[in-house]
Amino acid sequence: GAGVSQSPRYKVAKRGQDVALRCDPISGHVSLFWYQQALGQGPEFLTYFQNEAQLDKSGLPSDRFFAERPEGSVSTLKIQRTQQEDSAVYLCASSPPGLDLSGANVLTFGAGSRLTVL
Amino acid sequence: AQSVAQPEDQVNVAEGNPLTVKCTYSVSGNPYLFWYVQYPNRGLQFLLKYITGDNLVKGSYGFEAEFNKSQTSFHLKKPSALVSDSALYFCAVRKGPGGYQKVTFGIGTKLQVIP
Repeated sequence: GAGVSQSPRYKVAKRGQDVALRCDPISGHVSLFWYQQALGQGPEFLTYFQNEAQLDKSGLPSDRFFAERPEGSVSTLKIQRTQQEDSAVYLCASSPPGLDLSGANVLTFGAGSRLTVL
Repeated sequence: AQSVAQPEDQVNVAEGNPLTVKCTYSVSGNPYLFWYVQYPNRGLQFLLKYITGDNLVKGSYGFEAEFNKSQTSFHLKKPSALVSDSALYFCAVRKGPGGYQKVTFGIGTKLQVIP
């Protein structure tokens, strides 16, 4: 597709349920990022993939959060045993193949998945 | 650790007037700096970036930003505001150059352009 696609757009979960959020990046984009954006806050980094390799997961807030990108394209962010503090918009972004000399590729963001935990 | 400060929660400006959205940053070494805009129910969209070279960078929709190393600032500007510019603006920084580096965002500034 032309842009980064995320699904579902809206998810309501009861506390303790597991959720899975999907990101379909721009075709051919090597780099994929997940961010968490709480209400009234800026995006907070969660994790980074280069192709299928998860090179940085330092932003994942707990071991209840898990991300994968098994074939280097679609990525899934899974949250186990959801808590109310997990309520946020989860943003996925991708950037073009490889890194140019400056290493400063621009991120293209999806519209986000809004998770509400009751 | 790197960080971005956007000191104003909201900026109000009359249509046709110049606008400035402030951003200061903290990062070790040379910074790469970005501005993104977010419209309601949509993802962030890239506006412009500073990597190296001319301190004044021009971006989409008539926006520009000035990199000031001594003041560690990267303020976003536009000579004449439009009502359609009303949105949430995020400044971001990463350590440059080369290779993967984490991008850190500010908390955002809401720009309200009054007709």
